[in-house]
Amino acid sequence: DGGITQSPKYLFRKEGQNVTLSCEQNLNHDAMYWYRQDPGQGLRLIYYSQIVNDFQKGDIAEGYSVSREKKESFPLTVTSAQKNPTAFYLCASRGGVPVNSPLHFGNGTRLTVT
Amino acid sequence: GENVEQHPSTLSVQEGDSAVIKCTYSDSASNYFPWYKQELGKRPQLIIDIRSNVGEKKDQRIAVTLNKTAKHFSLHITETQPEDSAVYFCAASKSGGSYIPTFGRGTSLIVHP
Repeated sequence: DGGITQSPKYLFRKEGQNVTLSCEQNLNHDAMYWYRQDPGQGLRLIYYSQIVNDFQKGDIAEGYSVSREKKESFPLTVTSAQKNPTAFYLCASRGGVPVNSPLHFGNGTRLTVT
Repeated sequence: GENVEQHPSTLSVQEGDSAVIKCTYSDSASNYFPWYKQELGKRPQLIIDIRSNVGEKKDQRIAVTLNKTAKHFSLHITETQPEDSAVYFCAASKSGGSYIPTFGRGTSLIVHP
């Protein structure tokens, strides 16, 4: 389903470089999330934001940073401090706050760092 | 915090058979349980969800059951088809606070024609 756009689909970087992954949504959702997906590891939460200008660390935040200056946008920066950045990154949003509701995911960005 | 265990990690069935994926959770306060399907290289998408005030929910060939006492919930797919082949994730979350879902590690379902 449309509404969440991640770009680019594939990203290649050299080790030691910071890289920013884009996530934009037009669903008017307050909450947004970043997940990292590795084979056999499921979905691990990096950062989340429930409202503009506020965000919280997830389970694996080290080596990552985010910002939430606009409701529609939640970019993720993978810094050189992230030891193993090669992975598939998924952005998601959720409406219906404060009631529990499902996540809507973007198509993901596959990052390869060499 | 919440812990969600999902089994099996891989499930192989013949077309037309049924498939069952099971998840257990640890936090008795969890009250929302969605299931997502992720086809290869694509985004996870919600296929069915259940809330704690309901014991079972069906949508065509898919059903989810919830046992709050035992703290487990299951996904049932009947009359499987090759297009059901994907990775399936269960999740659990609770009201109040951040509503952050905790995901299981996923089950790779392979349906052989």
